[in-house]
Amino acid sequence: QVQLKESGPVLVQASETLSLTCTVSGFSLTNYGVIWVRQPPGKGLEWMGIIWRNGNTDYNSALKSRLSINRDTSKSQVFLKMNSLQTDDTAIYYCTRDMGYWGQGVMVTVSS
Amino acid sequence: DVVLTQTPPTLSATIGQSVSISCRSSQSLLHSNGNTYLHWLLQRPGQSPQLLIYLVSRLESGVPNRFSGSGSGTDFTLKISGVEAEDLGVYYCVQGTHAPYTFGAGTKLELK
Repeated sequence: QVQLKESGPVLVQASETLSLTCTVSGFSLTNYGVIWVRQPPGKGLEWMGIIWRNGNTDYNSALKSRLSINRDTSKSQVFLKMNSLQTDDTAIYYCTRDMGYWGQGVMVTVSS
Repeated sequence: DVVLTQTPPTLSATIGQSVSISCRSSQSLLHSNGNTYLHWLLQRPGQSPQLLIYLVSRLESGVPNRFSGSGSGTDFTLKISGVEAEDLGVYYCVQGTHAPYTFGAGTKLELK
């Protein structure tokens, strides 16, 4: 069955770089794209970016300068890297396939 | 970027009541391939979002048929015909026609 699971540090210092991994199973990254979505505490969902099945990427305009999404198809993993973190980057970070399958999310706190 | 405006922001309902949520887009969501990539999600408290409706009106597998979606172009509606207690949470529309994708701000469904 299709599964996605996010992993990474739960606490990051301001100005540093966040690195998260989404490990997928039950499908191939060469057949489906994966999307990253985040949700600050008590707020709504924010679309961050997507890596398409062909490896191309699209990013949220507001995050584009700080964000990169890559993948390792052999390991079924998608990677998110975002630099110059600030406290308002504190959020639950989700990966999803097609919006139909979601990971459990990982809560990341940015400390000043 | 496409802006999705959801109304109302909060909805109070009794069990069994029928309710509707509106999602209006700042530009047409009709893709050049003929599809309209407007979807609806429900996020229950403490959970990852769940896909309810995709491509405007198609019911995701396993979702009760009291949920229905309609609309075209820039105006879309999610209807719940007979609210049940398990329907409480925040509803989001999301568009996947124009990159970067965007979410509406959400509609919180509460019990009256």
